[in-house]
Amino acid sequence: DTGVSQNPRHKITKRGQNVTFRCDPISEHNRLYWYRQTLGQGPEFLTYFQNEAQLEKSRLLSDRFSAERPKGSFSTLEIQRTEQGDSAMYLCASSSGAGFDEQFFGPGTRLTVL
Amino acid sequence: GDSVTQMEGPVTLSEEAFLTINCTYTATGYPSLFWYVQYPGEGLQLLLKATKADDKGSNKGFEATYRKETTSFHLEKGSVQVSDSAVYFCALRNTDKLIFGTGTRLQVFP
Repeated sequence: DTGVSQNPRHKITKRGQNVTFRCDPISEHNRLYWYRQTLGQGPEFLTYFQNEAQLEKSRLLSDRFSAERPKGSFSTLEIQRTEQGDSAMYLCASSSGAGFDEQFFGPGTRLTVL
Repeated sequence: GDSVTQMEGPVTLSEEAFLTINCTYTATGYPSLFWYVQYPGEGLQLLLKATKADDKGSNKGFEATYRKETTSFHLEKGSVQVSDSAVYFCALRNTDKLIFGTGTRLQVFP
C-alpha cells in the first residue's frame, strides 16, 4: 500500500493556459474524490467517482473544470483557461466504498496561476 | 446547508499544556464527525472519528465526544508535545463528501 499519489506536486502556469493533474488512488479503492483548498481555508469538495462513474459535482466545479476516471483507477482533473482565482491546493482522496469508508488523502498539487 | 465552525488559530501552547480546540456543526440528520490533522509538508490524515451521538473518538492521546445536544465535537488532549504542532481540521460527513472547517493551527513550544 503506497498511499494516494498526486502529480505534479507543484504547477505554475500563466493565466489562460490549460493544466491537468493526476491522482493515483490506493489500489482497489473504488471511490475517488477531488477537493480544493485555498490558503487559510479547509478543503472544499469538488467531485467524486465510484469506479469510472462521476456521481456528484459541486457548484464550485465550473465549466472550465473537468474530471475523468476512465478505467476506474487513476483520475485526471483538467482546468481550462486558468484564472488567478484557480490558485489553490488540489487534493485527491480515495476510499474503499465499504463499511466506515475512511477517505485517505494524497499530498496535493499546488497550482499557482500568474 | 451543512457546515462546520471551528475556533480560529493559531493556538500557542507550552509543552505538556492542556489543549482544547472547539468545533461546532450545522447539519440535517445524523452526520459522522471527524478530526483530521495536517503536519507540515504532509497530507491530511484522519486523527479520530465518531459516528453517532455520545460516541467518543480517541487516538494518540487526543479525544473528542460527539455531542448532539450542543452540536459540538471539541478536540482535547491532556498534555501536548512539540510534535503535535500541526493544523487540525474538524469535518462532518452526511452523504459521501466531507465538509471541513477552516482549520486551527496549533503551535507547541518546548
